Amino acid sequence: AQSVTQPDIHITVSEGASLELRCNYSYGATPYLFWYVQSPGQGLQLLLKYFSGDTLVQGIKGFEAEFKRSQSSFNLRKPSVHWSDAAEYFCAVAYNQGGKLIFGQGTELSVKP
Amino acid sequence: DTGVSQDPRHKITKRGQNVTFRCDPISEHNRLYWYRQTLGQGPEFLTYFQNEAQLEKSRLLSDRFSAERPKGSFSTLEIQRTEQGDSAMYLCASSLREVPGNEQFFGPGTRLTVL
Repeated sequence: AQSVTQPDIHITVSEGASLELRCNYSYGATPYLFWYVQSPGQGLQLLLKYFSGDTLVQGIKGFEAEFKRSQSSFNLRKPSVHWSDAAEYFCAVAYNQGGKLIFGQGTELSVKP
Repeated sequence: DTGVSQDPRHKITKRGQNVTFRCDPISEHNRLYWYRQTLGQGPEFLTYFQNEAQLEKSRLLSDRFSAERPKGSFSTLEIQRTEQGDSAMYLCASSLREVPGNEQFFGPGTRLTVL
């Protein structure tokens, strides 16, 4: 079955430190890849997406992600975390244009002052 | 453009009652999706529409669940004879089929509590 794994349920980083959130997917073909962020009481907001081309994609709020086909991974990074980045982050994949999204279980990010 | 809206935002009901949720997508979007999210989990796909046609339903969508998008605009999700296991956040998303990568825009969700 198609699945998305986010190995880290909860991560705590200090403000100003770098961040990497991991995401792996299971499937042979290259899917469409997404990172969403969800703050308490807020809807899911798209940070970035990959579907073709350059494997390093830039998103909003200073986030970037790199698609590595050999590792079936799409890790999210940010060089310097701000306190406002504290939220739940979801990796998601879609296997065809317009299809359903399959989400990972999420990584909760806490930011220490 | 006000984004995807959902109504109500919160619903508390007693077991066995029927509930109906509404989703208004972004106006020009031809695709509409329903997902369910339980505490500590990522959203799970329920069903989606292209215009008024329901193109895919998850096995999660038991026969107590029904979704419609009668005119290809807003959609309703009805749950009959609610059970405590139906307690969750119900998310709606919309997208434009013609956009590469098919980015889905999510609404704020309807939180259902079944007592």
